[in-house]
Amino acid sequence: DIQMTQSPSSLSASVGDRLTITCRASQSISIYLNWYQQKPGKAPTLLIYAASSLEIGVPSRFSGSGSGTDFTLTISSLLPEDFATYYCQQSYRGPRTFGGGTKVEIK
Amino acid sequence: QVQLVQSGAEVKKPGASVKVSCKASGYTFTSYYMHWVRQAPGHGLEWMGMVNPSGGSTSYAQKFQGRVTMTRDTSTSTVYMEMSSLRSEDTAVYYCARVSGPSRGNAFDIWGQGTMVTVSS
Repeated sequence: DIQMTQSPSSLSASVGDRLTITCRASQSISIYLNWYQQKPGKAPTLLIYAASSLEIGVPSRFSGSGSGTDFTLTISSLLPEDFATYYCQQSYRGPRTFGGGTKVEIK
Repeated sequence: QVQLVQSGAEVKKPGASVKVSCKASGYTFTSYYMHWVRQAPGHGLEWMGMVNPSGGSTSYAQKFQGRVTMTRDTSTSTVYMEMSSLRSEDTAVYYCARVSGPSRGNAFDIWGQGTMVTVSS
């Protein structure tokens, strides 16, 4: 199975900060990397698919990049509604494994 | 609108079975694969398996092989996830999620609201 490693597992940030979360795959997954946002008590929602494509309705302050094994999710300027947990997921092959998550908290 | 609506919360005793449903609406049910993901309290997302609503074929995570069965009913646009021999570690929220398709990276674009399954004696 392909293992997905996210870092950091948690961070504290302020409104207006620029934020970067990284995700590493245990083998090349081309661009088959997706990012989800989850708020407490809610189902995850899709933010970015295929490494860098923004899902319809997702604000442009979110962006993704990378290919192969290394990927990043960037939030250009944090808003209060962005405090949540973020997960990466590979959809290249086999079990659709998720990263362990990054919890973004208010500083 | 496109949505997935899951069945309500369940409380089961260890050793029992549970069957969770996920009813799709707003799109052609047989055109999109459906996956199941669970999340134990305070933990991350864990992929469980998938079902092809068109032909019914399935694929399960090795961890759940022999203990989980995913099925579908095309007449009601509903997929089901049944798990047997429940133990306390199976206490979690169970989600169904639709796969978007290859043109959108096979991402999970629509999720059900989740079903809490509690296993307790």
